[in-house]
Amino acid sequence: DAGVIQSPRHEVTEMGQEVTLRCKPISGHNSLFWYRQTMMRGLELLIYFNNNVPIDDSGMPEDRFSAKMPNASFSTLKIQPSEPRDSAVYFCASSLGLGQGASGANVLTFGAGSRLTVL
Amino acid sequence: DAKTTQPPSMDCAEGRAANLPCNHSTISGNEYVYWYRQIHSQGPQYIIHGLKNNETNEMASLIITEDRKSSTLILPHATLRDTAVYYCILKTSYDKVIFGPGTSLSVIP
Repeated sequence: DAGVIQSPRHEVTEMGQEVTLRCKPISGHNSLFWYRQTMMRGLELLIYFNNNVPIDDSGMPEDRFSAKMPNASFSTLKIQPSEPRDSAVYFCASSLGLGQGASGANVLTFGAGSRLTVL
Repeated sequence: DAKTTQPPSMDCAEGRAANLPCNHSTISGNEYVYWYRQIHSQGPQYIIHGLKNNETNEMASLIITEDRKSSTLILPHATLRDTAVYYCILKTSYDKVIFGPGTSLSVIP
């Protein structure tokens, strides 16, 4: 398996523009997580899905952020309009469904991340 | 509120064992101890996890105290490639993974 695949790897855009980040989870994994990492705030969980359904979006910073998972092999994180404070590395991760891993454990596999710079 | 406490940084000589401590005095009976690491500019990587017993895999060993209030991740022969931020995380089977600030380990030649 190629692992979790994220695109684009780097994105530079101007304030006010729409940004769409994409993620392809590992085949067979039915939980998907979006994280954001900045120097100031570290790794923050934004939202996670189980069986394509959003379970917890309490980490989504504001209405400018939205995430979708139309099928088991694809998810998007959209920022509209983007602002300079959205500059960060955005990671996608996938796992077996919560509680379904060996010994009840479930391990996250992360993608390489998408580095977003909003000017 | 943070469930775990880790030192912000540590150094280790190359070839020596790196022992990374983690305190989790309020751990619940159904919470596992997980360790992840993040090498610069990469996504976090799972290392190991345990519930009560000590665990070992090809990457590391995890020692959990009998009262489960603390644990130690051991990298037996640290290399320069082990320089990374190491995260100790508590979670049940159904919890989401929440990362704290972790320990920044520097392996010194």
